[in-house]
Amino acid sequence: EAQVTQNPRYLITVTGKKLTVTCSQNMNHEYMSWYRQDPGLGLRQIYYSMNVEVTDKGDVPEGYKVSRKEKRNFPLILESPSPNQTSLYFCASSKTSGVPLLHEQYFGPGTRLTVT
Amino acid sequence: QQPVQSPQAVILREGEDAVINCSSSKALYSVHWYRQKHGEAPVFLMILLKGGEQKGHEKISASFNEKKQQSSLYLTASQLSYSGTYFCGTENSNYQLIWGAGTKLIIKP
Repeated sequence: EAQVTQNPRYLITVTGKKLTVTCSQNMNHEYMSWYRQDPGLGLRQIYYSMNVEVTDKGDVPEGYKVSRKEKRNFPLILESPSPNQTSLYFCASSKTSGVPLLHEQYFGPGTRLTVT
Repeated sequence: QQPVQSPQAVILREGEDAVINCSSSKALYSVHWYRQKHGEAPVFLMILLKGGEQKGHEKISASFNEKKQQSSLYLTASQLSYSGTYFCGTENSNYQLIWGAGTKLIIKP
């Protein structure tokens, strides 16, 4: 089954304690992306990756890190989480080719993060 | 810059029609539409390309006016399953999708 998986689904942590949210896809997609979703703001892109070892900042990258060492995995790292990073996080993947460059995005189930 | 969606919310009776609009101040390569139900991930509905081509797999239609940088999603004879929040995403030249704030659609029986 084609899918994007994220772990953990729920996480409550304290300010400053480093954490990693994993994301994996089994569709051999080149493009992967992290979004955060806050009420009334829609989806905001944190980082995205066009392929292995290629990552770029999205609209709200401050406080986050990513890496893309393998095509299927795109972990999101919060080195020193703060309460303003409390949010719902989605990972997504897509194939890319021609026009439009971005095709249908497949989303993971989401990770609800609370930082106290 | 985030595209503007309108209306912010709409309440319909089953069987009624709805139009959701998405407009951007920047030139668009494509417009994507997704629907999200409460507590779930967004699900793809449609991509609209310059030149009018559409790619999607749901019985929902949409339009894309390149000159006005606007797109509209048309939901006809709405069903209860159409309830949710609809998001448009506009693709820019940097391989990014910039998302609107969403339109909440409530369908009542």
